[in-house]
Amino acid sequence: GAGVSQSPSNKVTEKGKDVELRCDPISGHTALYWYRQSLGQGLEFLIYFQGNSAPDKSGLPSDRFSAERTGGSVSTLTIQRTQQEDSAVYLCASSFTGTGNIQYFGAGTRLSVL
Amino acid sequence: RKEVEQDPGPFNVPEGATVAFNCTYSNSASQSFFWYRQDCRKEPKLLMSVYSSGNEDGRFTAQLNRASQYISLLIRDSKLSDSATYLCVVRREGFQKLVFGTGTRLLVSP
Repeated sequence: GAGVSQSPSNKVTEKGKDVELRCDPISGHTALYWYRQSLGQGLEFLIYFQGNSAPDKSGLPSDRFSAERTGGSVSTLTIQRTQQEDSAVYLCASSFTGTGNIQYFGAGTRLSVL
Repeated sequence: RKEVEQDPGPFNVPEGATVAFNCTYSNSASQSFFWYRQDCRKEPKLLMSVYSSGNEDGRFTAQLNRASQYISLLIRDSKLSDSATYLCVVRREGFQKLVFGTGTRLLVSP
């Protein structure tokens, strides 16, 4: 498809397990963003990748969270030793460049930590 | 205090009504402004950018008041399909991340 693709769409895991969430941005978009949306909360920025530059990790809530972007395209967000407060919808967005361009969102991964 | 504040609603209006949403932002370095729409359990989608001079897209009109750090969205002739959560979004100068309000929920009834 032409949009941002995320997988899985839903993930249920047990507390303490690690999870990996995947994002495939729109073809040609150089910038990629991860956000999360907790119940009743606004979207919260996590991390931003722009081309080959060092990512902006300023939104990652703890060192249990990490992300990488391979080959300037697909990105993986990893949460280690999941906690119940990690339960949220994790949304990925991409844009043509990092500056001034519209961010298009994927449908998200709904993570439930039991 | 949140950086972007919105009335959560819900706003319940009949079809054909005019409804306005307001949003305030606290960081004067905010440079870009948007309204996104989010349907239940769906991703946010851009509704419109907001420009200093104000801008209109069909039934939707957005206004920005930089002095008061205030953004508004006006929807005329509401349709049932307008029912959604409307997210006020800003981007600070020099930053790429978007800062979202928690959204205002609109319910349009027949």
